[in-house]
Amino acid sequence: QKEVEQNSGPLSVPEGAIASLNCTYSDRGSQSFFWYRQYSGKSPELIMFIYSNGDKEDGRFTAQLNKASQYVSLLIRDSQPSDSATYLCAVKTREYGNKLVFGAGTILRVKS
Amino acid sequence: DAGVTQSPTHLIKTRGQQVTLRCSPKSGHDTVSWYQQALGQGPQFIFQYYEEEERQRGNFPDRFSGHQFPNYSSELNVNALLLGDSALYLCASSLAALGGTDTQYFGPGTRLTVL
Repeated sequence: QKEVEQNSGPLSVPEGAIASLNCTYSDRGSQSFFWYRQYSGKSPELIMFIYSNGDKEDGRFTAQLNKASQYVSLLIRDSQPSDSATYLCAVKTREYGNKLVFGAGTILRVKS
Repeated sequence: DAGVTQSPTHLIKTRGQQVTLRCSPKSGHDTVSWYQQALGQGPQFIFQYYEEEERQRGNFPDRFSGHQFPNYSSELNVNALLLGDSALYLCASSLAALGGTDTQYFGPGTRLTVL
């Protein structure tokens, strides 16, 4: 079982729709959860982080964390073509110390 | 506010050669982590440096080594390059005092191609 799993996609949504990106993790001791956006040929850019169960909103982005289900998601409201990118989920756990463990990423395509 | 910088941007080497990549952390940060990202994959942790010492290491061979300088900048060295070392090498900086809640910010990366 992979430590952090994401659906590779691509996930295609029309412009203005809500994009829902999902991530599951295997280590119940996981403490911190991060979403990064990566455009083709570029480096990952931090979008959001979440530490506690529930929702965290920042502009058009909402991160949702459910530790009981070992599940974290990212919602993008009013999706724009500029949101088309690969979205990486990353997890930090007590067992793994200071490193981030990444999923393989989900490709999002927003069609205008 | 200066972000994370890396050099060079691109590098082409041949098998068996050695390479050194450089990273300067974001202003105010004291911790540098290095990741390798193969095409179509998520970044894989190589190691992390704090207070000029290797704090944690991932599953990479000893051919991969690093260093952190007193000004917090860091180098990644790879010896005896293999074709499989071709990847995007990412440096991330963070602040150790934040502990488990520290956030890592990535530099632009160095694209290494091994021929």
